[in-house]
Amino acid sequence: AQSVTQPDIHITVSEGASLELRCNYSYGATPYLFWYVQSPGQGLQLLLKYFSGDTLVQGIKGFEAEFKRSQSSFNLRKPSVHWSDAAEYFCAVGGSKETSGSRLTFGEGTQLTVNP
Amino acid sequence: GAVVSQHPSRVICKSGTSVKIECRSLDFQATTMFWYRQFPKQSLMLMATSNEGSKATYEQGVEKDKFLINHASLTLSTLTVTSAHPEDSSFYICSARQGGKRETQYFGPGTRLLVL
Repeated sequence: AQSVTQPDIHITVSEGASLELRCNYSYGATPYLFWYVQSPGQGLQLLLKYFSGDTLVQGIKGFEAEFKRSQSSFNLRKPSVHWSDAAEYFCAVGGSKETSGSRLTFGEGTQLTVNP
Repeated sequence: GAVVSQHPSRVICKSGTSVKIECRSLDFQATTMFWYRQFPKQSLMLMATSNEGSKATYEQGVEKDKFLINHASLTLSTLTVTSAHPEDSSFYICSARQGGKRETQYFGPGTRLLVL
């Protein structure tokens, strides 16, 4: 069974500081990995995704994530956080329609607070 | 591209009534749509997978007669909460799968349901 762990429930950083959100996954085959962001009362917006190839993927809003197969991790990073980045961040793992029916399994989320 | 809409965004109803929520993919065809439920400060819980032209597949513990799903076209899926009760109050989010070789789910903005 596939699973996702986000070890940090809540992270607080100062505006302009760097950010790293952790994500560990368990999946029997080559995973598809995603990071989504959710603002209060809103749906989820896709930040970036990894399917194959270059293990460092670039996303929107200046975010990037690195796939490390040996560590089963897909951590999200941003070099300089903006106040507007305060939100809930979800890591998700899935596969192709053939391997997982396109189902996504989400982590519990990490709440990011940005101090001025 | 890959925009998903939901309607209504917020609904308040009396206990015992039924509520219909629409999910539309606006600029792509979605053979598969997913319905999630999210409780406050929690992750997304997959309720069912909706395939165009066939019956929905429900997750364990989700009552199919309670949560009726219809996927009548490649751009529209509806979730009807029948005989709603206060415990059905929640945030319901749909997603649409943009298929092909690189599958990605795009999420709607969510519907806040409050049953009095």
